[in-house]
Amino acid sequence: EPEVTQTPSHQVTQMGQEVILRCVPISNHLYFYWYRQILGQKVEFLVSFYNNEISEKSEIFDDQFSVERPDGSNFTLKIRSTKLEDSAMYFCASRPGRDRGNEQYFGPGTRLTVT
Amino acid sequence: AQSVTQLGSHVSVSEGALVLLRCNYSSSVPPYLFWYVQYPNQGLQLLLKYTTGATLVKGINGFEAEFKKSETSFHLTKPSAHMSDAAEYFCAVSQAGTALIFGKGTTLSVSS
Repeated sequence: EPEVTQTPSHQVTQMGQEVILRCVPISNHLYFYWYRQILGQKVEFLVSFYNNEISEKSEIFDDQFSVERPDGSNFTLKIRSTKLEDSAMYFCASRPGRDRGNEQYFGPGTRLTVT
Repeated sequence: AQSVTQLGSHVSVSEGALVLLRCNYSSSVPPYLFWYVQYPNQGLQLLLKYTTGATLVKGINGFEAEFKKSETSFHLTKPSAHMSDAAEYFCAVSQAGTALIFGKGTTLSVSS
């Protein structure tokens, strides 16, 4: 069964460094998402991406964040200058798009630790 | 704006007992409703969803949920809990094609 994959599973970085989190959505899916979950808190929406552009973003997704689909398979989230409060689990998700009510399929997540 | 409230951050049941996890939502338009489960150190797995049609929705692992518009609720139930059901459960709401808004989650513990 197709699944969303994410790399790395765990990333440790120092404050102020740039990080890139990678995701491979399910092929033929059209909508892509990033969410994050700070330890002990709820899952929060960051950004959605469709047709090579951002379709929706939350207040969390400020100028420090960017997303890119550099080729036909990868979907990346870049944090330009990490802060301690960026430490969280980051989930990628994708959705087919044929039916707007279709569920989103989540990857296993990348745990980002900023020291 | 949409929101989700999950009553009870922690629910404990005995194996074989009824599981009831509560979810209330707020939405100005007909919502799409979802329950996801998260096992330790894993991602989110869809249990079930309501979009349109039948208000009683059956999902995987014996779970079901009923959409009650008058009560703005979408509670998750399972007749008989199993040890393997111990996990974090998230209720989520969205409008057609928009991002998911999650509740804070409910940790389900199952004792033998």
